Amino acid sequence: EDKVVQSPLSLVVHEGDTVTLNCSYEVTNFRSLLWYKQEKKAPTFLFMLTSSGIEKKSGRLSSILDKKELFSILNITATQTGDSAVYLCAVLLGGYNKLIFGAGTRLAVHP
Amino acid sequence: GAVVSQHPSRVICKSGTSVKIECRSLDFQATTMFWYRQFPKQSLMLMATSNEGSKATYEQGVEKDKFLINHASLTLSTLTVTSAHPEDSSFYICSARELTNYGYTFGSGTRLTVV
Repeated sequence: EDKVVQSPLSLVVHEGDTVTLNCSYEVTNFRSLLWYKQEKKAPTFLFMLTSSGIEKKSGRLSSILDKKELFSILNITATQTGDSAVYLCAVLLGGYNKLIFGAGTRLAVHP
Repeated sequence: GAVVSQHPSRVICKSGTSVKIECRSLDFQATTMFWYRQFPKQSLMLMATSNEGSKATYEQGVEKDKFLINHASLTLSTLTVTSAHPEDSSFYICSARELTNYGYTFGSGTRLTVV
């Protein structure tokens, strides 16, 4: 069975801290790994990772994929209260192009 | 960027009635759309893959006769929850992939409450 596991499930930090969110996967037909941020409604796209070892950055957020270890991390530096959200990791499967989501990491950034 | 419009955003219905949720891709064509369900504080669970002009593909455990999916055009997919019951109360989200863009774009979701 295809599965995506995220850790930790929840995290509470103070503004300015750096956080690392983890995502591991076991799937039969891997194409890409995607990170999303979900606040109140629909998830918003952050990154799509297809190749190992290539870091993607967007402002204070960065992410990298290790296809050998079947693992990805999402880093957020100098966190702000606006970073409070649920961060979802998803794996895009080949064939039917399905996205399989992890349970998410609920991040709370306190002032 | 690609936008997916989902309507309604919130609906309350009586037990036993049916509810239709629409998902439209704006400014792009989507031959495939996906329907997810999300319970409070849980992740998105894929319910079905909606294919334009053909039958939807349902995930294991999802009742196709209860959750009717119609993908009549390249920009519109609908999910109808038939004979809704309180346990169907959930957040339903659709998504579509715009081929020139990275990732999948999600609709804003529909919060269904069955009373």
